[in-house]
Amino acid sequence: NAGVTQTPKFQVLKTGQSMTLQCAQDMNHEYMSWYRQDPGMGLRLIHYSVGAGITDQGEVPNGYNVSRSTTEDFPLRLLSAAPSQTSVYFCASSYSTNSNQPQHFGDGTRLSIL
Amino acid sequence: SQQGEEDPQALSIQEGENATMNCSYKTSINNLQWYRQNSGRGLVHLILIRSNEREKHSGRLRVTLDTSKKSSSLLITASRAADTASYFCATVNNDMRFGAGTRLTVKP
Repeated sequence: NAGVTQTPKFQVLKTGQSMTLQCAQDMNHEYMSWYRQDPGMGLRLIHYSVGAGITDQGEVPNGYNVSRSTTEDFPLRLLSAAPSQTSVYFCASSYSTNSNQPQHFGDGTRLSIL
Repeated sequence: SQQGEEDPQALSIQEGENATMNCSYKTSINNLQWYRQNSGRGLVHLILIRSNEREKHSGRLRVTLDTSKKSSSLLITASRAADTASYFCATVNNDMRFGAGTRLTVKP
């Protein structure tokens, strides 16, 4: 049982480039989300999805797009990378949108924008 | 914006001692969750306490919640070197908001 899998683990981009961070879960979870983690700031919610075909914005959505075509996958797209998007990105999932559910996290993608 | 704020930011103790971390928050919550993050890894869920609960135990972990003071504490008893990690509280209402974490170092 792989849980939440994120790829790639590391990535370096130049300003203006675009890329997609992949996230897949094999637990049949309805709810999936993307966070970024910056030093001293904890995790901040970027986008989330309550099921296939449904996405919504979190706290810091600007510069990012998401889609949810299947239950398993929830990719995060950087449209035009900026140095301010240098961060560690975590994908998480939970069984349902019921708030009394713990979230399962991937091991993160460490992204540097030069 | 962050909801929970952990205190202290960093804590260093000897193996066998107890570690206490605190979390304060600003608005009403549905539940509060604690997570652990080992270096270079994702967060791992430790314990969830609902807003109508005051205390919860899980192995060496004890969590308390005081909704009147908008605060929670995580106690790790008889700490081990393997407990070295960052610990985060997350408040849940319409969404989940994390604090900046407490960095715990347990020296063997």
